[in-house]
Amino acid sequence: QVQLVQSGAEVRKPGASVKVSCETSGYRFTGYYLHWVRQAPGQGLEWMGWISPDSGGTNYAQKFQGRVTMTRDTSISTVYMELSRLSSDDTAVYYCARDQTVHTGIFDYWGQGTLVTVSS
Amino acid sequence: QSVLTQPPSVSGAPEQRVTISCTGSSSNIGAGYDVHWYQQLPGTAPKLLIYSNSNRPSGVPDRFSGSKSGTSASLAITGLQAEDEADYYCQSYDSSLSGWVFGGGTKLTVL
Repeated sequence: QVQLVQSGAEVRKPGASVKVSCETSGYRFTGYYLHWVRQAPGQGLEWMGWISPDSGGTNYAQKFQGRVTMTRDTSISTVYMELSRLSSDDTAVYYCARDQTVHTGIFDYWGQGTLVTVSS
Repeated sequence: QSVLTQPPSVSGAPEQRVTISCTGSSSNIGAGYDVHWYQQLPGTAPKLLIYSNSNRPSGVPDRFSGSKSGTSASLAITGLQAEDEADYYCQSYDSSLSGWVFGGGTKLTVL
């Protein structure tokens, strides 16, 4: 069965960076784009960008360009999202989600979420 | 301020029917981009509920249905059950932003 398992909760100080992992299993890793979506406490969903596990190509939301980096390691079917220059506004649960078909934006499987807390 | 506009909350009694609207613009829903809907139960990750405007993934009850017209889309839930109490989000692609956008979410309360 398809599974996306994310790394554990993180606490960072303002100005620092955080790297969240998303380990996939149960399907062909290189066949599906993976997206990152975040949710601030009590707020809605916010799309951050996608990565192609096949080519490593990425596309980031305008809001996060210059601050986010998405990478992948095909040997362990894992994608990563690194966010730099953190502020308290980045406190959120970060989700990885699989795109059902290339570039459709249909997120059919989600990770369990990773809480990132930014606090001094 | 979300690009897609949803009502913050809706409510209904068990067995009743409710609808949740999702209003966009000419750069997203009105441009012909598909709308997808997600259900998020408290403390859990979102779950795909409706894709490509009106299609249900395997395992989603037929009590849930979606439609799209012009610059708006709607999610309808019939035969409301207590387990439907959750947050619901619409999603589409926006050409001006060159990325996917979500509605602000609607909290469904089953009375």
